[in-house]
Amino acid sequence: EAQVTQNPRYLITVTGKKLTVTCSQNMNHEYMSWYRQDPGLGLRQIYYSMNVEVTDKGDVPEGYKVSRKEKRNFPLILESPSPNQTSLYFCASSLYGEAEGYTFGSGTRLTVV
Amino acid sequence: EDQVTQSPEALRLQEGESSSLNCSYTVSGLRGLFWYRQDPGKGPEFLFTLYSAGEEKEKERLKATLTKKESFLHITAPKPEDSATYLCAVLNNAGNNRKLIWGLGTSLAVNP
Repeated sequence: EAQVTQNPRYLITVTGKKLTVTCSQNMNHEYMSWYRQDPGLGLRQIYYSMNVEVTDKGDVPEGYKVSRKEKRNFPLILESPSPNQTSLYFCASSLYGEAEGYTFGSGTRLTVV
Repeated sequence: EDQVTQSPEALRLQEGESSSLNCSYTVSGLRGLFWYRQDPGKGPEFLFTLYSAGEEKEKERLKATLTKKESFLHITAPKPEDSATYLCAVLNNAGNNRKLIWGLGTSLAVNP
């Protein structure tokens, strides 16, 4: 089944403890992206990647890192999480870029206390 | 400033009661307009892409239309399983600075 898989689905952590949210797609998509979704603010792009070793900032990149060493994987790293990073996170992918519909993962609900 | 506004914020319908959701936009050139459906706690699911004014797309009870200023998502004879939040996103045509701008969504509830 064609899909984007995120892990974990739920995570509660403490301020400052480094964490990684994994994202993997099995569709050979070149484009991958991370979003956060907050009530009243909607979906906001964190980082995106046009292909392996090519990443760029979205609208809200502060406090996040990404890497794209393999085509299928695009992990999101929070080096020192803070409470304002409590949110619902989505990974998305498409074959070539923003001009196509995205396939989204099921989401990761992160709480930083 | 590029902007996407969806209305209404919330809509409650009776099963079988047809209606429309609106997505109005102001962007520096339209590259494409996208509709997604999102169920609570899940990732958005892609529905349609519209590229130019006058274009229409259909899928089951849903029909999306596009003008130069807005898009409508028409829901004909909705069923309770159509209950979800419907998101609209617009891709501007700004070359290397092109960007996908998301609306806040319309939350639809269909009562049996």
